[in-house]
Amino acid sequence: DTAVSQTPKYLVTQMGNDKSIKCEQNLGHDTMYWYKQDSKKFLKIMFSYNNKELIINETVPNRFSPKSPDKAHLNLHINSLELGDSAVYFCASNEGALSGTGELFFGEGSRLTVL
Amino acid sequence: DAKTTQPNSMESNEEEPVHLPCNHSTISGTDYIHWYRQLPSQGPEYVIHGLTSNVNNRMASLAIAEDRKSSTLILHRATLRDAAVYYCILRYLQGAQKLVFGQGTRLTINP
Repeated sequence: DTAVSQTPKYLVTQMGNDKSIKCEQNLGHDTMYWYKQDSKKFLKIMFSYNNKELIINETVPNRFSPKSPDKAHLNLHINSLELGDSAVYFCASNEGALSGTGELFFGEGSRLTVL
Repeated sequence: DAKTTQPNSMESNEEEPVHLPCNHSTISGTDYIHWYRQLPSQGPEYVIHGLTSNVNNRMASLAIAEDRKSSTLILHRATLRDAAVYYCILRYLQGAQKLVFGQGTRLTINP
């Protein structure tokens, strides 16, 4: 069983379209994250949810909207896609702020290409 | 955010030990030192973490300087599968948790 799973793994789309990436974790974790890894390979945190509540919201265009229907799912919806949105998006989860090691478990990533 | 500094790249030979350094001179007393690695085309994976004392696990060892301003990840016997980008990260104990990834060290293992 995959601990943190993301779909789709690859996504190619045109500028201006709207797309979503889904993430699910079966680890029973309270906290989930979205990270973006650009072409220079820097990993930047975008959002974090704890028990469906937004707790971290970095400087991200409001075209990006995370949604957490329950604590096992955190989806990322992107409106009006731009060329600069091309990147690999990683979902991650952990036990939360002061629990355990705080070890992050990452998904395999979703490579988004905007043409 | 307290920052870490790592060499951009390192190279080693298979079956030899590898010492990956990290400087974190602005570390605060409540910051944990975490190491992650990212294999090609995969998501990052946890390697090890520590606060003050040296730590060992099945993957690696973490040696932390007495003043905590630096640490070293030790791979005791590198294999080709250890070729990856290794990230040294400080984790704050307080408040909302976010791991801020730096540029990491790209480790190449020669057969």
